[in-house]
Amino acid sequence: ETGVTQSPTHLIKTRGQQVTLRCSSQSGHNTVSWYQQALGQGPQFIFQYYREEENGRGNFPPRFSGLQFPNYSSELNVNALELDDSALYLCAMGQGGYEQYFGPGTRLTVT
Amino acid sequence: LAKTTQPISMDSYEGQEVNITCSHNNIATNDYITWYQQFPSQGPRFIIQGYKTKVTNEVASLFIPADRKSSTLSLPRVSLSDTAVYYCLVGVRGVDGGADGLTFGKGTHLIIQP
Repeated sequence: ETGVTQSPTHLIKTRGQQVTLRCSSQSGHNTVSWYQQALGQGPQFIFQYYREEENGRGNFPPRFSGLQFPNYSSELNVNALELDDSALYLCAMGQGGYEQYFGPGTRLTVT
Repeated sequence: LAKTTQPISMDSYEGQEVNITCSHNNIATNDYITWYQQFPSQGPRFIIQGYKTKVTNEVASLFIPADRKSSTLSLPRVSLSDTAVYYCLVGVRGVDGGADGLTFGKGTHLIIQP
């Protein structure tokens, strides 16, 4: 158990809709990162937040956005959903560095 | 970031020692080597990290030769529950808030049979 939780577990949306995914932890990790994992692929880095500001971003368009709250929880928002956005979305918390604690993920299906 | 190459899949049997090798020919001087494990429908889990020679914890050992252009994750006496995807990552060990995102490849799908 990593202590990192994500909600919801599964979600089905229609193309063009917007979605918000949530992540939280009982421990005080100062960074939170989000990853997208397509079937059969490794996780792909979306962005990282540190002290409530985005401080790193992967190759994802601006319609992927996020928030980090003072209580270390976080949200991932995706606007104008596309079919290719169907994936497992993972949240990871840590203190920076390579030891990150991942949640179980949210499985998003876009139809 | 240094690119890594590892086998797509491996098979072994319960009770055997399994060694998964990762190549990282362009590793930089200050890069660390990190391994993650991922079970189906779960997030990746940190296993071990090292810089040179050998590192051992309660789960695995990590062997890194002097030239650091490869590394080997060793799992002693595997069981069926070790069936998972194993990822090798190479990069800088960041300080608070300073790390870039983790770069995962496709990993090695390890299948343990009875």
